[in-house]
Amino acid sequence: DSGVTQTPKHLITATGQRVTLRCSPRSGDLSVYWYQQSLDQGLQFLIQYYNGEERAKGNILERFSAQQFPDLHSELNLSSLELGDSALYFCASSEGGGLATEAFFGQGTRLTVV
Amino acid sequence: GDSVTQMEGPVTLSEEAFLTINCTYTATGYPSLFWYVQYPGEGLQLLLKATKADDKGSNKGFEATYRKETTSFHLEKGSVQVSDSAVYFCALIANNAGNMLTFGGGTRLMVKP
Repeated sequence: DSGVTQTPKHLITATGQRVTLRCSPRSGDLSVYWYQQSLDQGLQFLIQYYNGEERAKGNILERFSAQQFPDLHSELNLSSLELGDSALYFCASSEGGGLATEAFFGQGTRLTVV
Repeated sequence: GDSVTQMEGPVTLSEEAFLTINCTYTATGYPSLFWYVQYPGEGLQLLLKATKADDKGSNKGFEATYRKETTSFHLEKGSVQVSDSAVYFCALIANNAGNMLTFGGGTRLMVKP
């Protein structure tokens, strides 16, 4: 158990809908990262938050947004969903935001868009 | 941009066989290099890492050496077990990318008794 909790584990929704994925980082970790794992794109970095502030942005679509709350949990919001958004979404956390700090991954949320 | 290329799987081996999974990278500067492992139904776990040239990362019998001259970080294990069956990801953090991991495509390893 990595200590990173993601909910829900599975989500099935229709095209055009909006969903929210939730992540609770390990106790004491200030950084949260979101990754998307899909069959065609592999594992891709979406976004990082550090202590409530956006720290880095990767290949995140404009339809997607995220935030980190004062209690350090994070939410990833996906809207106007398309079939191609079906993927496994991972959250990871680390102590700091600096280089090569070990990141601990949650078990992921599997999103299926039908 | 930064990228990681690793051998496509699946790799199927018998128990106690020698394992090599090739990984090469493209990055500016001197990235940190990682191997992550994903067991079925679970998230990714850090297996080992190396942060500078010629460093060797090792853990649970797995090893990888950071080779700057060949831009490689191949994963090796002398004797695999059935419990090593998983998907292995090579990854890097570029030195100007904060803590953002760039992953390779993953290599599925299947070890048969």
